[in-house]
Amino acid sequence: SYDLTQPPSVSVTPGQTATITCSGDKLGERFVSWYQQKPGQSPMVVIYQNSKRPSGIPARLSGSNSGNTATLTISGTQATDEADYYCQAWDSRTVVFGGGTKLTVL
Amino acid sequence: QVQLQESGPGLVKSSETLSLTCSVSGVAVTGSSYYWAWVRQSPGKGLEWIGNVYGTGGNYYNPSLKSRVTISVDMSKNQFSLDLTSVTAADTAVYYCARQYCSGDDCYRLFDWGQGTLVTVSS
Repeated sequence: SYDLTQPPSVSVTPGQTATITCSGDKLGERFVSWYQQKPGQSPMVVIYQNSKRPSGIPARLSGSNSGNTATLTISGTQATDEADYYCQAWDSRTVVFGGGTKLTVL
Repeated sequence: QVQLQESGPGLVKSSETLSLTCSVSGVAVTGSSYYWAWVRQSPGKGLEWIGNVYGTGGNYYNPSLKSRVTISVDMSKNQFSLDLTSVTAADTAVYYCARQYCSGDDCYRLFDWGQGTLVTVSS
């Protein structure tokens, strides 16, 4: 089975840049989506097709994907960005999620 | 505005079948390029995709659950459903329904999520 690996936690101070990585074999050859989930809420897609933002998602959230690593970057991190983030790809006709990263805004 | 709403029992006995329905409003479940998916999240854990169904038939299932899962569409009610057989405590989770964009044999982002429903499996 295909695995996506994320760091369990990332911490950032307000206004700084947060970087969350997602690693998988030849991940750069696949499209990656990123989801944000706040406590008690449903997940919400914030990046799809590696770098596209759905309407309503601020431009300070960006994504990239190359080689074996996809990256979600949050510039000028705000307290409202504190959440769990999951990467997702498609492999062998199956959706694969990363284990999730808890972003803490200190 | 597309909305999805899960419904079904919040408590299921071990070894029985978990059945949930997702009611869709704002778009027809038979729309092209969209599949209808189920995702679950065990308490304090990450997301697990269960599978999806195309509006006019056709499914993809998580191999780890495939032997116990059936996802189907009811076009007349604009709903889709999940049946998970032989449940155990490990199936206790919040179950979400969502719309999924697919093209050809590939599926991509999940969007328009329901609010989720907690299902507890009791012994």
